Amino acid sequence: QKEVEQDPGPLSVPEGAIVSLNCTYSNSAFQYFMWYRQYSRKGPELLMYTYSSGNKEDGRFTAQVDKSSKYISLFIRDSQPSDSATYLCAIHTGGGNKLTFGTGTQLKVEL
Amino acid sequence: SAVISQKPSRDICQRGTSLTIQCQVDSQVTMMFWYRQQPGQSLTLIATANQGSEATYESGFVIDKFPISRPNLTFSTLTVSNMSPEDSSIYLCSVNGLAGGHTYEQYFGPGTRLTVT
Repeated sequence: QKEVEQDPGPLSVPEGAIVSLNCTYSNSAFQYFMWYRQYSRKGPELLMYTYSSGNKEDGRFTAQVDKSSKYISLFIRDSQPSDSATYLCAIHTGGGNKLTFGTGTQLKVEL
Repeated sequence: SAVISQKPSRDICQRGTSLTIQCQVDSQVTMMFWYRQQPGQSLTLIATANQGSEATYESGFVIDKFPISRPNLTFSTLTVSNMSPEDSSIYLCSVNGLAGGHTYEQYFGPGTRLTVT
């Protein structure tokens, strides 16, 4: 079993839709949860990170963590064509420097 | 965040040759890392580049294949040695330890797209 599982998509939605991106993880020692956005032929860009269970909001983006279910989500409201990218979840144990990544979900927001 | 640049941005190399990838950061950072990103797979950590000492390699990666240098707090190189087509991938440099940042906040360079023929 992979430490972090993420549906690769592709996911195609119309402009203005609410997008839900999800990851599950197996190691209960994971404490910090990150979402990265990667445009084609670019490096990953850190979007948000959160520590505790619950929601964290930043503009149109909301990160949600449910530690009891080992489930993390990223919601994008009012999605735009510029949100078309691959979204990667990444998880950190809190000690050391290693991040464990999901495979990424490819999102396309269509006009 | 920091401005991270990588050279070259892409290259096509013949099997058996070596390529050195450079990573430059616009500010001093504590840690620098090298990742590999293959199609359909997770980003995989190759090694942590330690300033002033040998790099720390992850399981499955060895120094002879991926020698790393880190001469100062803003620069690192990764060499992919004796390349085979299986080394075709995107290689990414990342950093953490920016001023005011947490160790789990890693920022990535634009990547080097390597094709081995």
